[in-house]
Amino acid sequence: SQTIHQWPATLVQPVGSPLSLECTVEGTSNPNLYWYRQAAGRGLQLLFYSVGIGQISSEVPQNLSASRPQDRQFILSSKKLLLSDSGFYLCAWRAPGQGGNYGYTFGSGTRLTVV
Amino acid sequence: SQQGEEDPQALSIQEGENATMNCSYKTSINNLQWYRQNSGRGLVHLILIRSNEREKHSGRLRVTLDTSKKSSSLLITASRAADTASYFCATGRSYNTDKLIFGTGTRLQVFP
Repeated sequence: SQTIHQWPATLVQPVGSPLSLECTVEGTSNPNLYWYRQAAGRGLQLLFYSVGIGQISSEVPQNLSASRPQDRQFILSSKKLLLSDSGFYLCAWRAPGQGGNYGYTFGSGTRLTVV
Repeated sequence: SQQGEEDPQALSIQEGENATMNCSYKTSINNLQWYRQNSGRGLVHLILIRSNEREKHSGRLRVTLDTSKKSSSLLITASRAADTASYFCATGRSYNTDKLIFGTGTRLQVFP
């Protein structure tokens, strides 16, 4: 069966420090991968998505970047965190070739607090 | 940007009652999905309805879609305390879309 792993679960980082959040998917090949951010009490904002290794689409210009060094690995990074980067970061995947008729599977999320 | 707006923002009911949440969206869609999020956790996919469908059922869930009004509703019948969570609608704009756009969510509290 397919599983998605996201870590760490919580993170407290000082302003100006770097960031690296990792997401991996098991049990599938060539998944579509997504990074979302959720501000406290708000909906989800799509940050990046990827349909293959090295293929990254950015939805919102900001202080973050994403990379996909391996088929089932998706990394969210920042060189210098801002206070506004605080939030709940969620990784999700969907099997390729399913079109738009299937839902996403989400990871358990990373709570990032920038202090 | 957010496509959907859920209404109400918050809903409190007693166990056994029905809960209805509404979602409005702005652009044409291929499908609309509902997700559930327990506090501090990831989202769980509940149900998907295609743009050519008007109603769909899954257990105690009933979803309707009115594309002419660009709106959807999620009905949870005979609610339980365990249904307490936030519920989000999300829209897919085309069959080949690679992304879902989420609404702002409805926080449901079910009291025992």
